[in-house]
Amino acid sequence: QQQVKQSPQSLIVQKGGISIINCAYENTAFDYFPWYQQFPGKGPALLIAIRPDVSEKKEGRFTISFNKSAKQFSLHIMDSQPGDSATYFCAASRDSNYQLIWGAGTKLIIKP
Amino acid sequence: NAGVTQTPKFQVLKTGQSMTLQCAQDMNHNSMYWYRQDPGMGLRLIYYSASEGTTDKGEVPNGYNVSRLNKREFSLRLESAAPSQTSVYFCASSVHRESYEQYFGPGTRLTVT
Repeated sequence: QQQVKQSPQSLIVQKGGISIINCAYENTAFDYFPWYQQFPGKGPALLIAIRPDVSEKKEGRFTISFNKSAKQFSLHIMDSQPGDSATYFCAASRDSNYQLIWGAGTKLIIKP
Repeated sequence: NAGVTQTPKFQVLKTGQSMTLQCAQDMNHNSMYWYRQDPGMGLRLIYYSASEGTTDKGEVPNGYNVSRLNKREFSLRLESAAPSQTSVYFCASSVHRESYEQYFGPGTRLTVT
């Protein structure tokens, strides 16, 4: 049973545009929500993460928006660049067992 | 500083064969993990080791065994490979189990025919 649902599966955005990837979770006990970035042939790497006590976190061009009541969180990539082309994974975890539950991934292509 | 290294990078097995995937980290991390990645399914935790000397099952442990050889090394063994175990396997480590940031190796692409 997938506890973290990620959409879309794939996304094509023009250079300079905004890329938006969404995730929804079911378990209200989750309290840590990271986004990982994976390039072809590489392992995932942590991009940005948020706790539910804030509604937004920004790091450079990357922003996580968090909606606790809707049990949703999203990744926004501003001024998207070809170098952002990668697969993005959302995940969720809780302090009681620290295991990450992963979304299915979104393949993002930024067209020059 | 190599981070997390995995060997081999690629492997083809016949059904029923056995093999061990090796993982090592040089970051002095306490916790290590084995995941499998399948298309459309994200990453699924097979086993993890919160600290040297301990191992625990994750979401999909059936058909696998692990050994935390020392603080640096964490191996994954397939005793009798099955086509359903065709996947990309990732090893990861973190400072502690409570440190949510995990550092991943480059992966092993395994095909079982």
